[in-house]
Amino acid sequence: EADIYQTPRYLVIGTGKKITLECSQTMGHDKMYWYQQDPGMELHLIHYSYGVNSTEKGDLSSESTVSRIRTEHFPLTLESARPSHTSQYLCASNEADYGYTFGSGTRLTVV
Amino acid sequence: GESVGLHLPTLSVQEGDNSIINCAYSNSASDYFIWYKQESGKGPQFIIDIRSNMDKRQGQRVTVLLNKTVKHLSLQIAATQPGDSAVYFCAETYFGNEKLTFGTGTRLTIIP
Repeated sequence: EADIYQTPRYLVIGTGKKITLECSQTMGHDKMYWYQQDPGMELHLIHYSYGVNSTEKGDLSSESTVSRIRTEHFPLTLESARPSHTSQYLCASNEADYGYTFGSGTRLTVV
Repeated sequence: GESVGLHLPTLSVQEGDNSIINCAYSNSASDYFIWYKQESGKGPQFIIDIRSNMDKRQGQRVTVLLNKTVKHLSLQIAATQPGDSAVYFCAETYFGNEKLTFGTGTRLTIIP
């Protein structure tokens, strides 16, 4: 069973709303990642963290922000959601030797 | 930037047959490769990995082949089952990077 949890699984929200996508892992991993994925398409890295108080932007530019106050928690926030933010957001974590563990994802729809 | 890409977006295979999913990568510095399986509504699941000092690695019903000369990676699934229907991604990285680059994905459909 997955030891990385994302909530909510599905979210439909109106334009302009602020949202936070939650991601928690119980494996004690230092490294955590957020990927954005459109249906049937490749995964694009939007944020990553190598430990508490460490956050970096990924390869794909994103208007979202992240924080890492605790090892197990890596939330992603959109201050003002837009229809262009509609996508699936996947959280992952790993320890030293690669091999990501992914959460089940949050499917976000902005109307 | 450099990227990993897959040759075929869709593949249909008769149940019980073997399937081969291909992947081309462009970063010659990549030294670690992973295949992931993503079922509908779920996150990617690790299937098998291979390091660049190997040409072949076998798991349960799966084999990964690496050809560094032509920068090609393949995933072979033996005796396919309906549960193998999913999207398969290859991913690559290199020592010190720790960020994976994913390909587009191949949708594998098993025909009963």
